Amino acid sequence: QVQLQESGPGLVKPSETLSLTCSVSGGSINSYYWSWIRQPPGRRLEWIGHLYSTGSPKYNPSLKGRVTLSGDTSKNHFSLELTSVTAADAAVYYCARHLRFYTDGWASAFDIWGRGTFVTVSS
Amino acid sequence: DIQMTQSPSSLSASVGDRVTITCRASQSVTRFLNWYQHKSGEAPKLLISGASTLQTGVPSRFSGSGSGTEFTLTINSLHREDFATYFCQQSHGYPPTFGQGTKVEIK
Repeated sequence: QVQLQESGPGLVKPSETLSLTCSVSGGSINSYYWSWIRQPPGRRLEWIGHLYSTGSPKYNPSLKGRVTLSGDTSKNHFSLELTSVTAADAAVYYCARHLRFYTDGWASAFDIWGRGTFVTVSS
Repeated sequence: DIQMTQSPSSLSASVGDRVTITCRASQSVTRFLNWYQHKSGEAPKLLISGASTLQTGVPSRFSGSGSGTEFTLTINSLHREDFATYFCQQSHGYPPTFGQGTKVEIK
């Protein structure tokens, strides 16, 4: 059974870089898409981006070039870096497997999630 | 981006009740609509994909319907373990976007 676990600092200073890692157990990160999703307090979920085990990541344009996703198949984990953080970046950050499947066209769903990790932005 | 709007934002119901949650998209997402259940402190769980396909292991009291811009999630005969937040998500366009969630509380 595939399980995901987010890890990283729970507190980041304004203007600094938020770095999180998602460790995947019970399965390989190869051959799947993997996403980061966040939920600021009181707001809806926001997709940050995804990456395939090999290949170029795809990002939400709303993050305006501040985000970088990367994967490490040797450690079976993938990571998020978000630069120049502000208070608006405080959120619960989730990693999820982004399953793509064909049904009258290419669809997708986040079929496995981590429990999330809360990141505060404060000096 | 495609905007997803759920209604209601919250509801109170009793064990055994039938509950219906609506999700509307700002433009057609055909049937590329997923439903999730989220309990506080736990990982969100995918319930339904493709508007109506129940995921393996999800009880049959859950059902989804709709296409285009209007979708519903129905829980027949609410169980105690169903009290949670439910949210929809479209996968028709990038970026994937989510509804604001519907919290189902015990009356």
